[in-house]
Amino acid sequence: AQKITQTQPGMFVQEKEAVTLDCTYDTSDPSYGLFWYKQPSSGEMIFLIYQGSYDQQNATEGRYSLNFQKARKSANLVISASQLGDSAMYFCAMRDLETQGGSEKLVFGKGTKLTVNP
Amino acid sequence: NAGVTQTPKFQVLKTGQSMTLQCAQDMNHNSMYWYRQDPGMGLRLIYYSASEGTTDKGEVPNGYNVSRLNKREFSLRLESAAPSQTSVYFCASTPSPGVGTQYFGPGTRLLVL
Repeated sequence: AQKITQTQPGMFVQEKEAVTLDCTYDTSDPSYGLFWYKQPSSGEMIFLIYQGSYDQQNATEGRYSLNFQKARKSANLVISASQLGDSAMYFCAMRDLETQGGSEKLVFGKGTKLTVNP
Repeated sequence: NAGVTQTPKFQVLKTGQSMTLQCAQDMNHNSMYWYRQDPGMGLRLIYYSASEGTTDKGEVPNGYNVSRLNKREFSLRLESAAPSQTSVYFCASTPSPGVGTQYFGPGTRLLVL
């Protein structure tokens, strides 16, 4: 069974500094996808970034980048130049694609609460 | 473009009451999902529908039923609510399995007394 582990319940960072949120995963499938979502206090789930297991380069989306280390089974999210609006819960998730059933499921970690201090 | 919509936004039930959470998407997506989120936890899959006319159990299906009414709509029913079902419920959709990301609705906050 696939599993996502986020070991940092909470993280603090100063505004304008970079921060890394950790995510490790466990799967026996050679093909998988990794996602990061942001959940602000308002509650909605906002997609940030995606990394496929066969992607050669680390994914980047604006200030977000994914430090993908396949051998270590880690997919850490790096937020550069933190802003006050980055304060939120961050969830790492893995795509479990059932080729026979023709569906996909997302398996989520428990999340990391990021607080950006002024 | 509304994306994924959920109704109601908030609901209070008494133990034993029933209710249906509604979800609709206007993105012509094939697959739809219901998750629950409990404090200190990530989202856990309750049920999903890979395509219109099909539904399957996820990680925590007990106490719930679903209906894929048509391609747009996927409802979640609690037949006899229990306090353990107090949670935030999210509906999501994706174009097809393995394609793109799942798009989430705003969530329904449910309190069972």
